[in-house]
Amino acid sequence: QQQVKQSPQSLIVQKGGISIINCAYENTAFDYFPWYQQFPGKGPALLIAIRPDVSEKKEGRFTISFNKSAKQFSLHIMDSQPGDSATYFCAASLLTGGGNKLTFGTGTQLKVEL
Amino acid sequence: GAGVSQTPSNKVTEKGKYVELRCDPISGHTALYWYRQSLGQGPEFLIYFQGTGAADDSGLPNDRFFAVRPEGSVSTLKIQRTERGDSAVYLCASSVVGSDTQYFGPGTRLTVL
Repeated sequence: QQQVKQSPQSLIVQKGGISIINCAYENTAFDYFPWYQQFPGKGPALLIAIRPDVSEKKEGRFTISFNKSAKQFSLHIMDSQPGDSATYFCAASLLTGGGNKLTFGTGTQLKVEL
Repeated sequence: GAGVSQTPSNKVTEKGKYVELRCDPISGHTALYWYRQSLGQGPEFLIYFQGTGAADDSGLPNDRFFAVRPEGSVSTLKIQRTERGDSAVYLCASSVVGSDTQYFGPGTRLTVL
């Protein structure tokens, strides 16, 4: 059972454009929603994360929009740069018992062209 | 300081063999996680350690998989009687208790021939 669905699978954006990646989750108990960036041969690195009590969070060029009623959240990358070309994963977890077991989406391969 | 390190970076083995994958977490991080990432997929949770004990091993696919963390620092993921379907990148992550952020290592790419 895929608990976090991510789209699109791949995305090509022109330099300076906006990249948008969407995720939907099923488990309403999830209370932590991070986005990770992964470069080839590297482990995922945390980009930005949100809790369900807010609808939007912005850090630099990266913004998460969160819609609790629709059980959806998205990542917006403003002024996309070639260095942003990577694979992006959304994830969700339930922060209980001191653990943070992440359930990841299937990933979006972003390519930013000059 | 140093990040999470994993050794070896690549491991090629034959079907039926036993393998051990090592994870060195960030110093002071008491929480340690193992994930498995198949080609073209997101990481899948395997096991979570809080200190020396496995607090959640619900992601281990079967009893061929086992992990230990005897001194609450370095962890070893052990796979017995490897199968071709075990081929994947095995990722380790660590975090400070009470923090949401997990820091991932570069992974070990396991190939079972």
